[in-house]
Amino acid sequence: DTAVSQTPKYLVTQMGNDKSIKCEQNLGHDTMYWYKQDSKKFLKIMFSYNNKELIINETVPNRFSPKSPDKAHLNLHINSLELGDSAVYFCASSLFRGLRYEQYFGPGTRLTVT
Amino acid sequence: SQQGEEDPQALSIQEGENATMNCSYKTSINNLQWYRQNSGRGLVHLILIRSNEREKHSGRLRVTLDTSKKSSSLLITASRAADTASYFCATDADTGGFKTIFGAGTRLFVKA
Repeated sequence: DTAVSQTPKYLVTQMGNDKSIKCEQNLGHDTMYWYKQDSKKFLKIMFSYNNKELIINETVPNRFSPKSPDKAHLNLHINSLELGDSAVYFCASSLFRGLRYEQYFGPGTRLTVT
Repeated sequence: SQQGEEDPQALSIQEGENATMNCSYKTSINNLQWYRQNSGRGLVHLILIRSNEREKHSGRLRVTLDTSKKSSSLLITASRAADTASYFCATDADTGGFKTIFGAGTRLFVKA
């Protein structure tokens, strides 16, 4: 059983297009995240949601819009894609109870913008 | 700015040897975590150590935390080829616990 799943796994698109990445977790967690990993493997947090509420927006351009329809889902929509958006995007989830617990990561979505 | 920074950036050892990776961070933390990432995969949680703990073990893993020096180390004993991966430390920045900051990672290569 997949704990955190992402679709699609690969996404190749042209500059200027709009695309979405979906994430679902079946762990009963209350917190979900989006991370961007660049070509140098540096992993940076973009957003975190707790109980469907946006908690962290780490100075991400407005072209990126996350949406959490329920606690098990966190989707990422990207408008007007740019070359610099090419990266691997990871979704993660955790259970937050005052003290942080470990995060469970999805397999990643490799986005290539041409 | 980057919170966690691992050292070394890359490490190549023979199977059976021990591997030690270090992590330094800048701000106060609630806990520190270590993750592993195999090539082309998502990160997998290895171990969490809280700020009031000094050492923790899990199988062949040993993690130490020195909050006075703002540093942690991950020791993998009796390494195996399957341990080949990137290892990241992660800390909670002082923002209420929802912002986890990852270091740049140490790339470990274990030769069979």
